[in-house]
Amino acid sequence: DQQVKQNSPSLSVQEGRISILNCDYTNSMFDYFLWYKKYPAEGPTFLISISSIKDKNEDGRFTVFLNKSAKHLSLHIVPSQPGDSAVYFCAASAMFSGSRLTFGEGTQLTVNP
Amino acid sequence: DADVTQTPRNRITKTGKRIMLECSQTKGHDRMYWYRQDPGLGLQLIYYSFDVKDINKGEISDGYSVSRQAQAKFSLSLESAIPNQTALYFCATSVGTGGRADTQYFGPGTRLTVL
Repeated sequence: DQQVKQNSPSLSVQEGRISILNCDYTNSMFDYFLWYKKYPAEGPTFLISISSIKDKNEDGRFTVFLNKSAKHLSLHIVPSQPGDSAVYFCAASAMFSGSRLTFGEGTQLTVNP
Repeated sequence: DADVTQTPRNRITKTGKRIMLECSQTKGHDRMYWYRQDPGLGLQLIYYSFDVKDINKGEISDGYSVSRQAQAKFSLSLESAIPNQTALYFCATSVGTGGRADTQYFGPGTRLTVL
């Protein structure tokens, strides 16, 4: 079963506008969530994370929101830039899982100039 | 120089061949991981190692084996490659913070094609 789901395979936005990437999870034991960004021919790179004791974490243009009751998190990028065009993976970890991550399928973001 | 390196970057092999993918890291991290990525499936954990003497199976370990030769080296082997092992393979490392998740740092990936 897919415990972390990113239902949108792709998203296209205009430069300067907001990009919102969504992620849903089913495992109530997940308590730490991360977003990774991946460019072609490169490995994923860490972007931002959030602990389940928070509902928001912000780092520059990137903000992650967590809604535990809905088991939903989202990544907001404001303003979007063409260099943000990449595949974004949502990942989750459960307490005492020893840093094992469960990844979503990824969303291809395209930011058009 | 990259902190996490993978060799080879691309490999084409035939069904039934044994193949080894290698990963080296200069980050000094204790934990290392092997993932595979298939289109539309995200990253799936194959094996992980918390130190040289600790190796664990991940979600999809069948058909794979690993060796942790040193803190800095973690290799993945396909004893008898089959076409459905065609995928992009990533190695990752993390510093290790007890039972909690910590940030993983990925290598550039190895694209493996099994004919």
